[in-house]
Amino acid sequence: DGGITQSPKYLFRKEGQNVTLSCEQNLNHDAMYWYRQDPGQGLRLIYYSQIVNDFQKGDIAEGYSVSREKKESFPLTVTSAQKNPTAFYLCASSIGGQGSSYNEQFFGPGTRLTVL
Amino acid sequence: GQQVMQIPQYQHVQEGEDFTTYCNSSTTLSNIQWYKQRPGGHPVFLIQLVKSGEVKKQKRLTFQFGEAKKNSSLHITATQTTDVGTYFCAGDRGTSYGKLTFGQGTILTVHP
Repeated sequence: DGGITQSPKYLFRKEGQNVTLSCEQNLNHDAMYWYRQDPGQGLRLIYYSQIVNDFQKGDIAEGYSVSREKKESFPLTVTSAQKNPTAFYLCASSIGGQGSSYNEQFFGPGTRLTVL
Repeated sequence: GQQVMQIPQYQHVQEGEDFTTYCNSSTTLSNIQWYKQRPGGHPVFLIQLVKSGEVKKQKRLTFQFGEAKKNSSLHITATQTTDVGTYFCAGDRGTSYGKLTFGQGTILTVHP
C-alpha cells in the first residue's frame, strides 16, 4: 500500500525541548515538503527537498531543521528556538523535477504538536 | 515574495445551493492546483490547471484558470453535505521544483 506516513499523530512536549517529527514515503517520490497549518491560515512551507542530501528553506524555516539522508525519509526537528511551535504539521511528497507535468502533492495524515 | 489570496474565508450554505471560492496570485503562475481538506483530515489533491483560460469539470465541481494565469476559481453546483471541508488553492510559479504557495483556504459548511 503506497503512501506517506507520519508519526506520531499527537505529540506533547515541554517548552524548551527539541522534538523530531517523522515522515516516510514509499511512493518513490524525489521531492518532499514540510508544512505548518494554524487555524484560519493556509499551509505555510517550512522546508522542502528536491533530492536526497539536499534541502531548501521555505517561508518559515526559523526554529526548524531537517535532514534528507534517504529518499524515503524527511524528518523535521522543531527546536527550542521556535517561538510558537504548537501547530498541525503536514508532510507531503511529489514526483519532483522542474517542469514536471505531475507535481501534485500527496500529504501524510499530519502530526498535531502541542508544547506545554 | 509571492502571495496567494483566497476568498471568502468562510461560506455557509444550505444543501442544494451553489458555492464559489476565488483565488488571486500576486504573480503569474505556471499552474494552479486545488486541494480539499475534510475536517480532521489532510489535504487531498483535486485538480491542476495549466493553460490560460482553462476550464475543467469534475461532476459538480468546475475549476477555472484566468486568462492572465493569476487567478482561479472553484464552483460547486448544488452542494451536498459531503462537500464540507476546507478548499485550498495553491500556486506554482514554476521556478522551484514544485514549490507551492497555498491560499488561506475557504471553509465550507453545508446545512442539510
